[in-house]
Amino acid sequence: AQSVTQLDSQVPVFEEAPVELRCNYSSSVSVYLFWYVQYPNQGLQLLLKYLSGSTLVESINGFEAEFNKSQTSFHLRKPSVHISDTAEYFCAVLRTDSWGKLQFGAGTQVVVTP
Amino acid sequence: NAGVTQTPKFRVLKTGQSMTLLCAQDMNHEYMYWYRQDPGMGLRLIHYSVGEGTTAKGEVPDGYNVSRLKKQNFLLGLESAAPSQTSVYFCASSTYTESTYGYTFGSGTRLTVV
Repeated sequence: AQSVTQLDSQVPVFEEAPVELRCNYSSSVSVYLFWYVQYPNQGLQLLLKYLSGSTLVESINGFEAEFNKSQTSFHLRKPSVHISDTAEYFCAVLRTDSWGKLQFGAGTQVVVTP
Repeated sequence: NAGVTQTPKFRVLKTGQSMTLLCAQDMNHEYMYWYRQDPGMGLRLIHYSVGEGTTAKGEVPDGYNVSRLKKQNFLLGLESAAPSQTSVYFCASSTYTESTYGYTFGSGTRLTVV
């Protein structure tokens, strides 16, 4: 069995403050890990992914996530958020034996205020 | 380069009516998926296909049927719509090897069953 837990359903944050979105997973086999972002009334966009190699992965817009195998976590961080980062963020896990099926967390709504 | 195209984008159905959602991809991906997105639950897999002529059940298959007669198309059918099927539906396709991973989502279909 596999599960993906996003520990916070909503995270309010002030502009230019840091933010961390937590994601934990459970799986009996190796996994690939992803963060997706969904802006209001839009589809899903891939933010970043971990397949192998360096456990710290970065996106082009300042987000980073670190894969921690021992703690089975893949937390997402940004040191300074913008109003435009207001969106819903989804953590997703892919078991390497699962025909590419993604399992998503419930999502974390980030609301950035001035 | 269209990627993954879903039609229609919006639909309102009456309880008991039937409809088919169409997903088309032009990337020659082998794997295709249908997910539904509901508030507070993330995305959940309905059905998936690992190649032309194949389909399999995902996490929430009840009330839905699928077909993949052509590699580029993946159809999702609702035979008798119920209010519980009010949701946003996303189609996706993927290519996946040990060292690469590409996953593309469509823009979604917002379905309301009244």
